[in-house]
Amino acid sequence: EAGVAQSPRYKIIEKRQSVAFWCNPISGHATLYWYQQILGQGPKLLIQFQNNGVVDDSQLPKDRFSAERLKGVDSTLKIQPAKLEDSAVYLCASRGQGVYEQYFGPGTRLTVT
Amino acid sequence: QQQVKQSPQSLIVQKGGISIINCAYENTAFDYFPWYQQFPGKGPALLIAIRPDVSEKKEGRFTISFNKSAKQFSLHIMDSQPGDSATYFCAASRARAGGYQKVTFGTGTKLQVIP
Repeated sequence: EAGVAQSPRYKIIEKRQSVAFWCNPISGHATLYWYQQILGQGPKLLIQFQNNGVVDDSQLPKDRFSAERLKGVDSTLKIQPAKLEDSAVYLCASRGQGVYEQYFGPGTRLTVT
Repeated sequence: QQQVKQSPQSLIVQKGGISIINCAYENTAFDYFPWYQQFPGKGPALLIAIRPDVSEKKEGRFTISFNKSAKQFSLHIMDSQPGDSATYFCAASRARAGGYQKVTFGTGTKLQVIP
């Protein structure tokens, strides 16, 4: 079974630029999560999708962050414009129906200069 | 009330020793407590998990001890090996209707196992 795929793995941008991350979850997983992991901290949930609908985006900074999962499969997370404090690893995770376990992708390391 | 407190922040253990990481939570509605292992440059990987209806779960060298009344749980790594050197996160979650599940992570423990 293929794992959660993410791209790019690394991205360096200047502040005020925009950036997009892509995630392809494990096949058949209805639930998809985006997390932000700042160095030295645990992952913090940004947004959760159930199929193509948002079920929790309470911690997403909506003035600059957006995410979509149009066909209920892969997803993109966008930051526009980026700030220095957005430097972090952005993790995507997915979960199958009726189970608790979440499976994480390798993450995208974003550096904002 | 959604916080999960984890300690210690870092831990150095001799090869063959026991590594112990502790976590505490406040929200009694949490019903699933996983531990994740994260190597540098990788995403967290599920290591072992427990539900609150049992007090202990063992998988190989990894054991979760769960104390529901104290709202605490811990990870024990027996016979620690250099390959166990990683950052460990405890977490807690509650599942609700419609597939909603929010996982709250601890702050992480960086474990170093020295030969």
